[in-house]
Amino acid sequence: AQKVTQAQTEISVVEKEDVTLDCVYETRDTTYYLFWYKQPPSGELVFLIRRNSFDEQNEISGRYSWNFQKSTSSFNFTITASQVVDSAVYFCALTYDKIIFGKGTRLHILP
Amino acid sequence: ETGVTQSPTHLIKTRGQQVTLRCSSQSGHNTVSWYQQALGQGPQFIFQYYREEENGRGNFPPRFSGLQFPNYSSELNVNALELDDSALYLCASSTGSYSGANVLTFGAGSRLTVL
Repeated sequence: AQKVTQAQTEISVVEKEDVTLDCVYETRDTTYYLFWYKQPPSGELVFLIRRNSFDEQNEISGRYSWNFQKSTSSFNFTITASQVVDSAVYFCALTYDKIIFGKGTRLHILP
Repeated sequence: ETGVTQSPTHLIKTRGQQVTLRCSSQSGHNTVSWYQQALGQGPQFIFQYYREEENGRGNFPPRFSGLQFPNYSSELNVNALELDDSALYLCASSTGSYSGANVLTFGAGSRLTVL
């Protein structure tokens, strides 16, 4: 079965701290994509990052970085030097012939 | 470049009624997908339209139906509303036929309350 698990329901950190959001997925497919989306209070999901199953290279983009490990089926997302504007719900998603979202992690950045 | 717009933003219906939600896709996008997001949950894929035809569907009953128009805008129709249909309905647009690689551009959603 295809599944995405975000075990962290809610996280609070003080501004400027680094924070890592965890995502574990299950799939039988060999070709798939993994995404992170951010949902601010306004409601629309905003695309952050995408990775395909054949590319385990981890990268940094500005304050965002991600760690994709097929061996542990994990796709974790890190925000460095967090800011209050990063407060939102973050969703990890898996796509194969359909898209499945995790239940989300609500992130509070405290000033 | 305009983003994805949805209407109405909020609506209240009673059980058994029918509802139509509307979505205008981002300029240049020809694929539209719809999602149901219950409170505290992640979005669940309802279906997707590409060039006016449904080309992917999630685990939703037939009373959830849709349309895509030649200008790539879309409607979601839900018949015989149930209390559990209360949710935020999100529309997303993208380019090309369905591909797992598609990056989705979302609207702000229509919040439906069924009493």
